[in-house]
Amino acid sequence: GAVVSQHPSRVICKSGTSVKIECRSLDFQATTMFWYRQFPKQSLMLMATSNEGSKATYEQGVEKDKFLINHASLTLSTLTVTSAHPEDSSFYICSAPPLLGGKGNYGYTFGSGTRLTVV
Amino acid sequence: AQRVTQPEKLLSVFKGAPVELKCNYSYSGSPELFWYVQYSRQRLQLLLRHISRESIKGFTADLNKGETSFHLKKPFAQEEDSAMYYCALNAGGTSYGKLTFGQGTILTVHP
Repeated sequence: GAVVSQHPSRVICKSGTSVKIECRSLDFQATTMFWYRQFPKQSLMLMATSNEGSKATYEQGVEKDKFLINHASLTLSTLTVTSAHPEDSSFYICSAPPLLGGKGNYGYTFGSGTRLTVV
Repeated sequence: AQRVTQPEKLLSVFKGAPVELKCNYSYSGSPELFWYVQYSRQRLQLLLRHISRESIKGFTADLNKGETSFHLKKPFAQEEDSAMYYCALNAGGTSYGKLTFGQGTILTVHP
């Protein structure tokens, strides 16, 4: 099945620095990638939607300049947390939508997540 | 705007007991609903998609449009079912837009 590879799985950075998170679709082309943020034992909050070849769409309240999203190719989407602060510490997850229509039991594919800690 | 509600944040049952995780949604159109499971330290995995009408790992879920519900059920819970469960809604139909997630239910199955 479709696999999304997300790296790094864990990163610790200093306040004020930038961190890049990558998501690659391994055996399929993802024209769209969704980026979520998850707090401990809580739901996933959609941050933005990246589309290959066009600007990302950000959800209300998400700072575009802080969370830079780039969909460089059909297999790579990146999220860069710029000038990171401790409050940006969180679990970030990417997800690609299903490729096919139909009625099979398949759905959105999720990356394994990135635990960001800003110190 | 669509909304997904999972009223129980925590649910505990004993092994072998039936379990039902509740999910209600609000959406004016025709939704596509999913159940995702997240085991400890693992990525979200698809459990069920309502349109497939399949039973996975003994779990079933039926879309009830009258009650706007998509409850997840299993007649005999197992310890390995302990995990976080998310109900999610796609309002985009076959366009597969963003998913709206419920708050999640942590299921604990005791031996």
